[in-house]
Amino acid sequence: KAGVTQTPRYLIKTRGQQVTLSCSPISGHRSVSWYQQTPGQGLQFLFEYFSETQRNKGNFPGRFSGRQFSNSRSEMNVSTLELGDSALYLCASSRQDNEKLFFGSGTQLSVL
Amino acid sequence: GQQLNQSPQSMFIQEGEDVSMNCTSSSIFNTWLWYKQDPGEGPVLLIALYKAGELTSNGRLTAQFGITRKDSFLNISASIPSDVGIYFCAGTTSGTYKYIFGTGTRLKVLA
Repeated sequence: KAGVTQTPRYLIKTRGQQVTLSCSPISGHRSVSWYQQTPGQGLQFLFEYFSETQRNKGNFPGRFSGRQFSNSRSEMNVSTLELGDSALYLCASSRQDNEKLFFGSGTQLSVL
Repeated sequence: GQQLNQSPQSMFIQEGEDVSMNCTSSSIFNTWLWYKQDPGEGPVLLIALYKAGELTSNGRLTAQFGITRKDSFLNISASIPSDVGIYFCAGTTSGTYKYIFGTGTRLKVLA
């Protein structure tokens, strides 16, 4: 069974640009969540989707958005990039709430 | 951002030694997860715990869901060099649809 797949693996952007990250969950998993990981703040929750509905959102500015498609694949978008957005963005999937959470390898975003 | 208290922050141990780390929360959790992360990679799930007092093993790893539901513990027995990495705990409460992660324990094993 394939794991969680995230693309691209690495991204370099400049301030003010926008970026879209993609995530394909494990087959059969309908919950997809996104986390930001930085050395200073650790792993921070961005948002969670289930059946195309956002069920929870973390404490991030509106520049961070996401969506989920009918096949459970998800994308997250960051607009007007800032230097502080440089981080490892991790996607995770699970079958449902409270269950095991499986992570992808992440997208390493560098904002110059 | 919100993080769980995880200790120790880092530890150097000799190969063959046992390791213990723990995680505490101010909130009650329904599920605890333990992960290992290598540099530049995503966290890999080690153990999942679903009820208070539960003790679960995965090879040389053993984790426990604290009785108060506000803490969890991970033990690694007879450590080997490939145990090197950062270990994270994570907890969730039903209906929140998110996990809160610990600050991490960086483990270094000296051969």
